[in-house]
Amino acid sequence: DAGVIQSPRHEVTEMGQEVTLRCKPISGHNSLFWYRQTMMRGLELLIYFNNNVPIDDSGMPEDRFSAKMPNASFSTLKIQPSEPRDSAVYFCASSLSGGRKNSPLHFGNGTRLTVT
Amino acid sequence: SQKIEQNSEALNIQEGKTATLTCNYTNYSPAYLQWYRQDPGRGPVFLLLIRENEKEKRKERLKVTFDTTLKQSLFHITASQPADSATYLCALDSGNTPLVFGKGTRLSVIA
Repeated sequence: DAGVIQSPRHEVTEMGQEVTLRCKPISGHNSLFWYRQTMMRGLELLIYFNNNVPIDDSGMPEDRFSAKMPNASFSTLKIQPSEPRDSAVYFCASSLSGGRKNSPLHFGNGTRLTVT
Repeated sequence: SQKIEQNSEALNIQEGKTATLTCNYTNYSPAYLQWYRQDPGRGPVFLLLIRENEKEKRKERLKVTFDTTLKQSLFHITASQPADSATYLCALDSGNTPLVFGKGTRLSVIA
């Protein structure tokens, strides 16, 4: 089991640039989540998908953020244009919910984003 | 407003002692509560899940309690070891929405 795979592990970019974060969930999992973690705010849910369909994106900070899940094995989180306040660790997680809401989440090791 | 509070940002204990971490919540009615461990530079890893109708759950040296009247969960690590040093996160699941996480407590077990 390869686990949830995120890339890149680290991203340093300048303000105004486009950033794309990538995630490959665990095979067979049908729910995918994007979280952001900072010291001040902890882990915050940005968006989640069930069966590749976005269910709740109310956590997405603003229109600069967008997420897609074109198929069951791939998702992207894009920030355009990026700003220094977007600097954080972004985690992707997947779960086998299958209607069971108590399914634990399996997290990737995150992408540390620094916007200068 | 809804809030999840973990008792302290950091907790230091001596090896061999029992570590007790607290998770309090307000304005939630969670159906489930989960605990995760996070090591530096890694994503959180699931440890235990407890349902609202369960008072206690155990797994090896770990024990979790869930008191819906007090709106509190306690997470215990018995016979703690330096390898238990990590940040521990509690997360609430209302059954209809994704997990909401506390900010975590950083545990340091000193040899």
